[in-house]
Amino acid sequence: DAGITQSPRHKVTETGTPVTLRCHQTENHRYMYWYRQDPGHGLRLIHYSYGVKDTDKGEVSDGYSVSRSKTEDFLLTLESATSSQTSVYFCAISESGGLIDGYTFGSGTRLTVV
Amino acid sequence: GDSVTQMEGPVTLSEEAFLTINCTYTATGYPSLFWYVQYPGEGLQLLLKATKADDKGSNKGFEATYRKETTSFHLEKGSVQVSDSAVYFCARGNNNDMRFGAGTRLTVKP
Repeated sequence: DAGITQSPRHKVTETGTPVTLRCHQTENHRYMYWYRQDPGHGLRLIHYSYGVKDTDKGEVSDGYSVSRSKTEDFLLTLESATSSQTSVYFCAISESGGLIDGYTFGSGTRLTVV
Repeated sequence: GDSVTQMEGPVTLSEEAFLTINCTYTATGYPSLFWYVQYPGEGLQLLLKATKADDKGSNKGFEATYRKETTSFHLEKGSVQVSDSAVYFCARGNNNDMRFGAGTRLTVKP
């Protein structure tokens, strides 16, 4: 989607290294989310943000941290990558928090931890 | 806790067949309901939505009706095309709490 971009699109990293994924939006939406997608689990929420410097944990937040210093950028950091964090990571944005408008998703980052 | 359950796939249909993908949910309060579609190598795209009971969401020939009495939001299409081959996700949303089903893979054969 043109209004939301994720980088990198693919990354291979070693166990124990820190990794940062970036989500950038041009829609000026208040809410931003990080999900991971794994076979058989659908999408699971890692963290979300409801404004600059305002973030909260999702259902699978252990081992992850986030930061939002500007409206347009939401960073996801794996503090010390493990093989269980091999996944496809999606960023999403929303104007209303999802109750009315649903979410708009980025194209994803495929992360492999070896 | 709150959850979304959708029929397991994969689902394989011939072109022009009728499609139903079942979805039920549990939730407190009055959530909004959504269907998303994911094509290979892409993120999820919003397909349709319904924000209150008895609402019908529709888009691209797909329909789903918010049934509060049966807590369901089944996806239907009268005549599928090869281009509809994708993974479909049911979801319920309620103030920064969007819960997704596990996804149903649909393959449509010519």
